[in-house]
Amino acid sequence: DVKVTQSSRYLVKRTGEKVFLECVQDMDHENMFWYRQDPGLGLRLIYFSYDVKMKEKGDIPEGYSVSREKKERFSLILESASTNQTSMYLCASRPGQGGKYGYTFGSGTRLTVV
Amino acid sequence: AQSVTQLDSHVSVSEGTPVLLRCNYSSSYSPSLFWYVQHPNKGLQLLLKYTSAATLVKGINGFEAEFKKSETSFHLTKPSAHMSDAAEYFCVVISYSSASKIIFGSGTRLSIRP
Repeated sequence: DVKVTQSSRYLVKRTGEKVFLECVQDMDHENMFWYRQDPGLGLRLIYFSYDVKMKEKGDIPEGYSVSREKKERFSLILESASTNQTSMYLCASRPGQGGKYGYTFGSGTRLTVV
Repeated sequence: AQSVTQLDSHVSVSEGTPVLLRCNYSSSYSPSLFWYVQHPNKGLQLLLKYTSAATLVKGINGFEAEFKKSETSFHLTKPSAHMSDAAEYFCVVISYSSASKIIFGSGTRLSIRP
């Protein structure tokens, strides 16, 4: 069964800490995505990547960066965590271009910044 | 421009009765449409997808959806609800023209009464 694995289910970090959220997929997908999900706001795209070492800003990139050194791994970095970054973070991947491919999501990381 | 509207934020049905979750879309191109389910504190799981093949699409766990171009609808149905169906359901449209452009509906919370 294909998988997108997020390294942590729950994280608690302090304000100002540098936070790494890791995502690994075993499907050889070209495209990987980071979303955050908040009540009343739905899913919002933070960053995505079409290929190794390539990244594109999504709708809400401020306060975040990403790294994709290997095809299977896409990391989300909070440079200096703030309380407004408390959220559920979802990683997703999909193959190829075009609309016919769905996304495979990870189980999510619930991050609390205190 | 593309958009997706889930017409009900909350649906409550009795166990064993039919489920109907409504979704309308707007798309300039032939859309790819998906339904995802999210159980509490979990990631999103693909239920089913429509990608311009058969208009009646069968998914997992007994769910199905019918693509109706004339009504621009993609409603999700299940003949008989089970307690384990209680979750949040998202209707999603993906643009053929942009692999990164995925539009999520606002979600419908399905509750099942014993």
